[in-house]
Amino acid sequence: KAGVTQTPRYLIKTRGQQVTLSCSPISGHRSVSWYQQTPGQGLQFLFEYFSETQRNKGNFPGRFSGRQFSNSRSEMNVSTLELGDSALYLCASSSGQDRYNSPLHFGNGTRLTVT
Amino acid sequence: DAKTTQPPSMDCAEGRAANLPCNHSTISGNEYVYWYRQIHSQGPQYIIHGLKNNETNEMASLIITEDRKSSTLILPHATLRDTAVYYCIVRVAVGYTDKLIFGTGTRLQVFP
Repeated sequence: KAGVTQTPRYLIKTRGQQVTLSCSPISGHRSVSWYQQTPGQGLQFLFEYFSETQRNKGNFPGRFSGRQFSNSRSEMNVSTLELGDSALYLCASSSGQDRYNSPLHFGNGTRLTVT
Repeated sequence: DAKTTQPPSMDCAEGRAANLPCNHSTISGNEYVYWYRQIHSQGPQYIIHGLKNNETNEMASLIITEDRKSSTLILPHATLRDTAVYYCIVRVAVGYTDKLIFGTGTRLQVFP
């Protein structure tokens, strides 16, 4: 079974631009979560989608948004990029059924650099 | 607001067992303990999880104390490829969903 796929792998953007990141979950998984990883803050939860609905959101500004499609694929968008948005963005999927007992499986992330 | 405490680093000789401790003294009754590891430039890899019983899979064993306030991840025969940052995580309920709260992890160095 294929793992979680994130595209693109690397991205360089300029301050003020916007960016869209893509995530394809493991086949059959309906829950997709997004995390941001930086050297200073570590791994931080952004949001989670299940069956096209956002179920939970972390403490990030409204510039960070996402969506999930009917095939469970998800996209994350960051508008008006700031230098501090440079990070590794990780997507994770799970079945979402027995939520505490369903492991999240992570992709290898998109490395975003804002200049 | 990490709910777990881990030593920042540990060393282990190749072929020996690596025992990684974790304290989670504020864990609630229905919160699972999860272990992940991350090798540089890759996403976190799921290892194992448990609620209150000891668990074992092809990668590792998880020993949870009876009071559930701490746990130990055991890699029975460490190899050089096990060098990574290991995260002990409590899966926290948030409304009708949940999230993983990552701490700073333990950097395990396996040496020849």
